[in-house]
Amino acid sequence: SQQGEEDPQALSIQEGENATMNCSYKTSINNLQWYRQNSGRGLVHLILIRSNEREKHSGRLRVTLDTSKKSSSLLITASRAADTASYFCATGSTGGFKTIFGAGTRLFVKA
Amino acid sequence: NAGVTQTPKFRVLKTGQSMTLLCAQDMNHEYMYWYRQDPGMGLRLIHYSVGEGTTAKGEVPDGYNVSRLKKQNFLLGLESAAPSQTSVYFCASRTPGTGTWNQPQHFGDGTRLSIL
Repeated sequence: SQQGEEDPQALSIQEGENATMNCSYKTSINNLQWYRQNSGRGLVHLILIRSNEREKHSGRLRVTLDTSKKSSSLLITASRAADTASYFCATGSTGGFKTIFGAGTRLFVKA
Repeated sequence: NAGVTQTPKFRVLKTGQSMTLLCAQDMNHEYMYWYRQDPGMGLRLIHYSVGEGTTAKGEVPDGYNVSRLKKQNFLLGLESAAPSQTSVYFCASRTPGTGTWNQPQHFGDGTRLSIL
């Protein structure tokens, strides 16, 4: 079973617009991570937010975490065609070896 | 520094055949993982290893075996391939982390396996 569930499943926007993806999870976590997967490639780590953090930035990425609602959001500002990919949230637990991945959001940015 | 390398990239098997997928990492990571990715289902953990000589079952281990004889290599074996094992297989590795905090995983580019 999946721990994280992304919403929406698919998103299509114009270049220059912002893209927001949401992730909900079920159990207590140590951290939440976001990954990107380009077509035919492996996942690439984007950003990690710890359970005691509420917001984190990296370049055009902004991640928020609300542990009371068990949810996170990934915002990509000023999107580019090169941002077209699938985005996955993943959660880790304290002392755990595993990272649990959601089913992903497919983002399509039109030039 | 190649990161995580998976071999082969593509393979077609017949039902009942066996094969081994190889994963090699050059980052001196302790933890290694095998996942399968199917449409609409994200990544599902097959087996993982927290160190040389150790392995453990993940979410979907049936029909697969693994070995971690060397720290840098993690092998995934299909004993008797079935059409249900048609999938894209990803290997990943990471360090244990600092204190209680997890670290992100580094992925290979996958092995696309079709079983007829």
